[in-house]
Amino acid sequence: GAVVSQHPSWVICKSGTSVKIECRSLDFQATTMFWYRQFPKQSLMLMATSNEGSKATYEQGVEKDKFLINHASLTLSTLTVTSAHPEDSSFYICSVYGDRAYEQYFGPGTRLTVT
Amino acid sequence: DAKTTQPTSMDCAEGRAANLPCNHSTISGNEYVYWYRQIHSQGPQYIIHGLKNNETNEMASLIITEDRKSSTLILPHATLRDTAVYYCIVRATTSGTYKYIFGTGTRLKVLA
Repeated sequence: GAVVSQHPSWVICKSGTSVKIECRSLDFQATTMFWYRQFPKQSLMLMATSNEGSKATYEQGVEKDKFLINHASLTLSTLTVTSAHPEDSSFYICSVYGDRAYEQYFGPGTRLTVT
Repeated sequence: DAKTTQPTSMDCAEGRAANLPCNHSTISGNEYVYWYRQIHSQGPQYIIHGLKNNETNEMASLIITEDRKSSTLILPHATLRDTAVYYCIVRATTSGTYKYIFGTGTRLKVLA
């Protein structure tokens, strides 16, 4: 399997500021990581696919200039929410493919609240 | 990827089997069926997956119909800790990057 951590687990920021969320694969080198967003009582929505050493691939409707993704190493991907607004308040979850290619391993999530 | 349809919610008595259905009528031949669950405010957890044969592991059993248009996840002896949202996902295995598209899921409540 793969163990995935996220930091921070929760964050509160003011409207207009930027916030960075880290996703780490602790025991597995992940060439591909995924970022999801989940609003209360809703399902997970895939935002983007993060590829090590290259640009992320964003899903339709996700603003790439607002949600900056950097996957600089095989164990770390970061999601930066730029110029955050209250509507960006959500639960952000990352995932990686582990050594068993049929499984995605999910991080514990980061709860972002923008005031 | 094929779209999945699941009931919004279900209740199950503790100790009884929980049977969670999923329809995936547009599934294609190379798409696997995956089940994950999400306990409140946590990341999803893998349960089981299958292509066309029934599968069983320490957590659950997966029954896939012969035409593969539907499947059922079975938790043989549900406990209170099984209360969660259960997601049925189909995913192609031949594409370069395998994405999961989550449906609405079934909110299972196990009752004492």
